[in-house]
Amino acid sequence: KAGVTQTPRYLIKTRGQQVTLSCSPISGHRSVSWYQQTPGQGLQFLFEYFSETQRNKGNFPGRFSGRQFSNSRSEMNVSTLELGDSALYLCASSLAPLSEQFFGPGTRLTVL
Amino acid sequence: AQSVTQLDSQVPVFEEAPVELRCNYSSSVSVYLFWYVQYPNQGLQLLLKYLSGSTLVKGINGFEAEFNKSQTSFHLRKPSVHISDTAEYFCAVSGGDQGAQKLVFGQGTRLTINP
Repeated sequence: KAGVTQTPRYLIKTRGQQVTLSCSPISGHRSVSWYQQTPGQGLQFLFEYFSETQRNKGNFPGRFSGRQFSNSRSEMNVSTLELGDSALYLCASSLAPLSEQFFGPGTRLTVL
Repeated sequence: AQSVTQLDSQVPVFEEAPVELRCNYSSSVSVYLFWYVQYPNQGLQLLLKYLSGSTLVKGINGFEAEFNKSQTSFHLRKPSVHISDTAEYFCAVSGGDQGAQKLVFGQGTRLTINP
């Protein structure tokens, strides 16, 4: 069974641009969560989706948004990029809330 | 709100020696506890988890952890480490008022195994 896939793996953008990251969960998994990892702040929760509904949201500005499609694939969008948005963005999928989360390899975003 | 403190940012150990990575959490309600490992340029892999029941939890790659409610700790141990254990280890908590699915992570402990 294929694992969680994230595309693209690497991305370079400039300040003020917007970016969309994609996550394909493990087949059959309906819950997807997103995390941001930076050297300074560590791993921080962004959002969680289950059956196309956002169930939980972390403490990030409104520039960060996400959605989940009917096939459970998820996207996150960051608008008006800032230098501080440079990070590894990790997606995790699980069968349902409370079950084990499997992480993808991440998308490394660099904002210049 | 819940929080996790990993007491050591770096732990150097010689190969075949035992190791303990320390983790303390704060929460006013029952929580679930996890240890994840991250190898360079990779995502997170679950080592073990405590949901309920026995306080001694065994995981993959020979790791185990003990949940201590009175000391709010969940330390990770391995009796004999290998070079391949070199990685960053994260303790995490979920549940309680933060919701079951949201993981709150510690800052990580970089484990370096020296030959």
